[in-house]
Amino acid sequence: KAGVTQTPRYLIKTRGQQVTLSCSPISGHRSVSWYQQTPGQGLQFLFEYFSETQRNKGNFPGRFSGRQFSNSRSEMNVSTLELGDSALYLCASTPRLAGSQETQYFGPGTRLLVL
Amino acid sequence: GNSVTQMEGPVTLSEEAFLTINCTYTATGYPSLFWYVQYPGEGLQLLLKATKADDKGSNKGFEATYRKETTSFHLEKGSVQVSDSAVYFCALNGGYQKVTFGTGTKLQVIP
Repeated sequence: KAGVTQTPRYLIKTRGQQVTLSCSPISGHRSVSWYQQTPGQGLQFLFEYFSETQRNKGNFPGRFSGRQFSNSRSEMNVSTLELGDSALYLCASTPRLAGSQETQYFGPGTRLLVL
Repeated sequence: GNSVTQMEGPVTLSEEAFLTINCTYTATGYPSLFWYVQYPGEGLQLLLKATKADDKGSNKGFEATYRKETTSFHLEKGSVQVSDSAVYFCALNGGYQKVTFGTGTKLQVIP
């Protein structure tokens, strides 16, 4: 099976712009979670989508949003970019078959640099 | 809320040395526990996991035992290699896919 894929891998934007990141989960996986990784804050949970609905949300401002499509692919959007949004954004997928403590499988990440 | 505390790095070891990376957690209920590894420029890879007390997860020579009495999940390897150099993250899933990660421990193995 192909793993989790994320596009693009690298992105450079300027302050005030918006950005959309894409994640394709492992085939058959229905849940997609997003994380932000920075040297200062470590890995922080952004949100999780399952069956096209946001199920969980971390403590991030409303500039961070996402959606999930019927094929389980997910996009994450950040509007009005700030310098502090520079980070590695990781996507993870799980089957979400039953229970709620399944293993998450991570993609390679999208590295965003905001200038 | 849930939290994970890992020993601070970096940890520098000589090849074939014994490795221990400490991890303790705070959580309600019975979380699943994980160790992930991140190589430079890459995402996180699952190294091992344990889903209930006294379970031992193992993979590629690494082991960790879920100790509920001490709320710990320490990572060990008997003989490290240069190729084990990476950042190791301890994590817990307390439910509903909201995973809490430790801050990560950088391991450097020198020949």
